[in-house]
Amino acid sequence: NAGVTQTPKFQVLKTGQSMTLQCAQDMNHNSMYWYRQDPGMGLRLIYYSASEGTTDKGEVPNGYNVSRLNKREFSLRLESAAPSQTSVYFCASSPAPSYEQYFGPGTRLTVT
Amino acid sequence: DAKTTQPPSMDCAEGRAANLPCNHSTISGNEYVYWYRQIHSQGPQYIIHGLKNNETNEMASLIITEDRKSSTLILPHATLRDTAVYYCIVRGTGTASKLTFGTGTRLQVTL
Repeated sequence: NAGVTQTPKFQVLKTGQSMTLQCAQDMNHNSMYWYRQDPGMGLRLIYYSASEGTTDKGEVPNGYNVSRLNKREFSLRLESAAPSQTSVYFCASSPAPSYEQYFGPGTRLTVT
Repeated sequence: DAKTTQPPSMDCAEGRAANLPCNHSTISGNEYVYWYRQIHSQGPQYIIHGLKNNETNEMASLIITEDRKSSTLILPHATLRDTAVYYCIVRGTGTASKLTFGTGTRLQVTL
């Protein structure tokens, strides 16, 4: 089992560019999540998908969109990147919304 | 979800038990206590969780006080690889219940 995988590991964007962060899990989990972590801070929830076919906003959704492509995959899209979106992005999954979450290794994004 | 308070940092000698406290005085009856850790810049790792009884697994033990207003995570024999930021999180159940990460406790294990 690979667990939760994320691509790419690193990315540099210019302001205004768009990109999609990919996340996949092979644990047959129902729920998936996207977080961001800024230097010296805890993680903040961007969006989550409690089950396939549903998505909901988290604490900091502005500037992002998500797609739950299927049960395995949950992508995060930045339509027009801004320097304030420079962060480390973590994807996570859990068997169900109220269960423990398992995290991927993260994507380090820099927007210049 | 209830708020938690943790010391910003702690030290522990290798081989000794590391006891990490967490205060959650506003916890309500259906809220669980979760512990995660984050080693360097890796993704957070789930450690353990509990409701009111003490819990133990292969990684750690969780002691929750009888009034549930505080808890302690115990790493019985800390190693250098346990150096990490440890997060105590209180959350309820249900679709809308989410993990809220604070700033955690930075545990430094030394020789």
